[in-house]
Amino acid sequence: DTGVSQNPRHKITKRGQNVTFRCDPISEHNRLYWYRQTLGQGPEFLTYFQNEAQLEKSRLLSDRFSAERPKGSFSTLEIQRTEQGDSAMYLCASSRRPDGELGNTIYFGEGSWLTVV
Amino acid sequence: KQEVTQIPAALSVPEGENLVLNCSFTDSAIYNLQWFRQDPGKGLTSLLLIQSSQREQTSGRLNASLDKSSGRSTLYIAASQPGDSATYLCAPSPISSGSARQLTFGSGTQLTVLP
Repeated sequence: DTGVSQNPRHKITKRGQNVTFRCDPISEHNRLYWYRQTLGQGPEFLTYFQNEAQLEKSRLLSDRFSAERPKGSFSTLEIQRTEQGDSAMYLCASSRRPDGELGNTIYFGEGSWLTVV
Repeated sequence: KQEVTQIPAALSVPEGENLVLNCSFTDSAIYNLQWFRQDPGKGLTSLLLIQSSQREQTSGRLNASLDKSSGRSTLYIAASQPGDSATYLCAPSPISSGSARQLTFGSGTQLTVLP
């Protein structure tokens, strides 16, 4: 168990460029989440996968954002035509499917910092 | 919509002191609540998970309590150490989030433990 891995850890890009972040969840975790965090705030939910199916998307996820989890393992988050307001830390998290009403611990990665200049 | 408030926003204490961090949430219909620690520029480290049916959880010097009916949770840190300095975030998982079991975060309490 090597934890949730994210890369790149830091990305500086010019406005209008596309960027892609990758997340490798803890093995055998079938749930994968993306969150976004800006300075001084707690993370905000973006989207959630169960295996390869994207089951929920936040209204924060504009049309410029797309996330995939092609084989139910790693996931990518792509931001097209980046804007300065996209500057944030993008956090990936994973967990096992809950047992009934009991929830399981959600484990986060180290995050990918995006700076749009 | 679930709203989470953490008080105080910042706290500075001398080493060795016991302290309490507070978290309140508006929607008491939750699956569970997690407490996390975040070091500057880093991701989140899970500290404790309390199921909705539980009253408290303990791990080492940490004890988290949950009063679901009043929408409150506290994180108690005993014998604080400089290494405890970080931002502490609480995150209930509201039942309204459905099968996603997503977390709703507060803005955190920034703790500084002075040597």
